[in-house]
Amino acid sequence: QKEVEQNSGPLSVPEGAIASLNCTYSDRGSQSFFWYRQYSGKSPELIMFIYSNGDKEDGRFTAQLNKASQYVSLLIRDSQPSDSATYLCAGEKAAGNKLTFGGGTRVLVKP
Amino acid sequence: EAQVTQNPRYLITVTGKKLTVTCSQNMNHEYMSWYRQDPGLGLRQIYYSMNVEVTDKGDVPEGYKVSRKEKRNFPLILESPSPNQTSLYFCASSSRTPPSYEQYFGPGTRLTVT
Repeated sequence: QKEVEQNSGPLSVPEGAIASLNCTYSDRGSQSFFWYRQYSGKSPELIMFIYSNGDKEDGRFTAQLNKASQYVSLLIRDSQPSDSATYLCAGEKAAGNKLTFGGGTRVLVKP
Repeated sequence: EAQVTQNPRYLITVTGKKLTVTCSQNMNHEYMSWYRQDPGLGLRQIYYSMNVEVTDKGDVPEGYKVSRKEKRNFPLILESPSPNQTSLYFCASSSRTPPSYEQYFGPGTRLTVT
């Protein structure tokens, strides 16, 4: 079992809809979680960081963390074609910057 | 402008010929990391550093070395490259001041070892 798992997709979403991405993790010692967006051929870009249970909102993005159930999710509201990318989830065990990534979910937003 | 630079961006080399990929950041970040990205295997951390002279292994450190003599630089060294190290490599730097976290990736280095 991978430490951090994501559905590879593609997740096809109509423009203007909400894209919902999920990530599960196996190590209960993981404390902080990250969501990245990566366009094809480009480097990853950090879009969300969450370490407390509950929701965290930043613009059109909302990250949700549930440590009891060991999952992290990312919601993208009002999805735009420019949101079409691969979204990577990562977990960190302690504040030492050792990150473990999931395989990524490809999102396609269709006009 | 916040920036992480990597050099070279593309490199084709032969098995066994030592090489260094440089990484430099201009944000005074304390944390720096190296990753490799391979199709089907995703992004995997090679080494990370929490500050000058402090480095530690990530998930796939075999065949790589790093050093952190200055805060801004974190070179990745392949002493004897092998074809299985053909990959896309990313350097990243980060800083955390809870609840905030800032991280930037370099543009990537595509390495081919023949």
